[in-house]
Amino acid sequence: GENVEQHPSTLSVQEGDSAVIKCTYSDSASNYFPWYKQELGKRPQLIIDIRSNVGEKKDQRIAVTLNKTAKHFSLHITETQPEDSAVYFCAASIRSRGSGNTGKLIFGQGTTLQVKP
Amino acid sequence: EAGVVQSPRYKIIEKKQPVAFWCNPISGHNTLYWYLQNLGQGPELLIRYENEEAVDDSQLPKDRFSAERLKGVDSTLKIQPAELGDSAVYLCASSLVGPPGELFFGEGSRLTVL
Repeated sequence: GENVEQHPSTLSVQEGDSAVIKCTYSDSASNYFPWYKQELGKRPQLIIDIRSNVGEKKDQRIAVTLNKTAKHFSLHITETQPEDSAVYFCAASIRSRGSGNTGKLIFGQGTTLQVKP
Repeated sequence: EAGVVQSPRYKIIEKKQPVAFWCNPISGHNTLYWYLQNLGQGPELLIRYENEEAVDDSQLPKDRFSAERLKGVDSTLKIQPAELGDSAVYLCASSLVGPPGELFFGEGSRLTVL
């Protein structure tokens, strides 16, 4: 079936350094790629998303890049701060056969980011 | 604006017992989702509703799981009977537009089956 692979599973950086999380997807028809942040015991929240008609999107310290040919996309966090510590999930929409499945999100396994002060 | 509300936040039951989770989506959000999140994993879709219609329930284990969304607003997810492997967090989410689009998640209901 369709899947999303996310790497690394854990990432530890010093405050102020950059962090990069990478995901690959299998459905070439995927056209929507969100990133969610989940703090311990809290709900996942959207931090940035990108659609397949653009290659890069930036919002302050976070950016997402998309390579449709290679079917991978990445989250970049610059000038990391301790409050960036959380689990980050990438996701990709899939277009499964059959009605009702268009745009279904498949999530990656998550990356635990630790930012050390 | 109130977010997605779920209850209970925590539930501990013995195996073979029934359990139910309730979700109230953000007002005006016609699309409602139930996701399963195992420890250390990403959310996995169980069922998606458009108003009161279940349009994607392919991942819902129908032998023991059931869901309903009466009147197209609140939703209930039920497990009967629960098994040890059902221990997980059950997340409800809603969206203003149908997929793909931003999902607004609730805090989740953490189930422990003993």
